[in-house]
Amino acid sequence: RKEVEQDPGPFNVPEGATVAFNCTYSNSASQSFFWYRQDCRKEPKLLMSVYSSGNEDGRFTAQLNRASQYISLLIRDSKLSDSATYLCVVNPGGSYIPTFGRGTSLIVHP
Amino acid sequence: ETGVTQSPTHLIKTRGQQVTLRCSSQSGHNTVSWYQQALGQGPQFIFQYYREEENGRGNFPPRFSGLQFPNYSSELNVNALELDDSALYLCASRGPAGELFFGEGSRLTVL
Repeated sequence: RKEVEQDPGPFNVPEGATVAFNCTYSNSASQSFFWYRQDCRKEPKLLMSVYSSGNEDGRFTAQLNRASQYISLLIRDSKLSDSATYLCVVNPGGSYIPTFGRGTSLIVHP
Repeated sequence: ETGVTQSPTHLIKTRGQQVTLRCSSQSGHNTVSWYQQALGQGPQFIFQYYREEENGRGNFPPRFSGLQFPNYSSELNVNALELDDSALYLCASRGPAGELFFGEGSRLTVL
């Protein structure tokens, strides 16, 4: 089993739709979690951290489920500009060496 | 912008050659890490440096080596290049909460 798994997609949704991605992780000692956004042929950029209590930033909501070892990202009212690959990142703690998922591709169409 | 800069942005090498990639990290961030990202895959951790010492390494052979300098800038060296080394190489500095700030990457093509 991979340390961090994501459905590669692509998720193809119309503008205005709500879309959710999940990311599962295998190391139960993982301590911090992040979502990054990566545009085609560009570097990943931090989208949001994921806190135990869940957190929201505008149209984006991130949640952590430690019992089932997954994190989620919900995007409401999708925009064309949301089209990108969304990478899940899990830090095991200690040395803070992060593990990336392979990313989930989102395509928002008119 | 992240304040992390990488050079060169693109380069082409042939099998067996050696390459050095450079990274200037964000001011105040003393931990830098390097990643290899093949097309369609997530970034794979190569190694991490903290205050000029390597303090973590991924599953990469010894021909991948690095350095961090007193000003926290860093280098990635790859010897005896292979075709499979063709990828985007990303440098990232680490923030206080473990978040990563990436440079734009160096795209290496090995022919």
